[in-house]
Amino acid sequence: DGGITQSPKYLFRKEGQNVTLSCEQNLNHDAMYWYRQDPGQGLRLIYYSQIVNDFQKGDIAEGYSVSREKKESFPLTVTSAQKNPTAFHRCASSLDRFSGNTIYFGEGSWLTVV
Amino acid sequence: GNSVTQMEGPVTLSEEAFLTINCTYTATGYPSLFWYVQYPGEGLQLLLKATKADDKGSNKGFEATYRKETTSFHLEKGSVQVSDSAVYFCALRQETSGSRLTFGEGTQLTVNP
Repeated sequence: DGGITQSPKYLFRKEGQNVTLSCEQNLNHDAMYWYRQDPGQGLRLIYYSQIVNDFQKGDIAEGYSVSREKKESFPLTVTSAQKNPTAFHRCASSLDRFSGNTIYFGEGSWLTVV
Repeated sequence: GNSVTQMEGPVTLSEEAFLTINCTYTATGYPSLFWYVQYPGEGLQLLLKATKADDKGSNKGFEATYRKETTSFHLEKGSVQVSDSAVYFCALRQETSGSRLTFGEGTQLTVNP
């Protein structure tokens, strides 16, 4: 089946640890995105990538890092510098950068700091 | 910068009632507009979209019209069902802003039988 796969679905992290959330898509999409969803705040953009080997900061990139070494993969690392890491993280992708094309979302990864 | 404002929720309706969820936006140029829906326990999925002024997006009985003059994209449904209970997100996408989606806060809809 085609789609966007995020893993793990649930992750617990100790304070001071870095963790990496995986996002893989087999839709042959050029553009990929990471959003963070907090209760009552909608989704906010962390990082995005319009093409392999290129990525840009979104609105709330502090404490996060990404890489885009392959078209189908866009992993997100939550570093110890992220002050409020407990949140729902959603990966997304779209065919390209043109605004009319739909952005598709993965099922999300819930990260909890303990 | 771009922004999207949705009516505050939560919204609670009885089955077969008329639904309107207001959405207004701020953007330069001509963004594309979207409504996404998140059903309980499921992922975020596209409900409908409109890519230019006066376009009407429609799906599953829901409709929204892209109004450039009022910068609005209100979601409507003539007769809601219990199965429409979900969180609804209005969003815009613009190439000049890196082609990312800018979301509203989301509106929780509960439909009672």
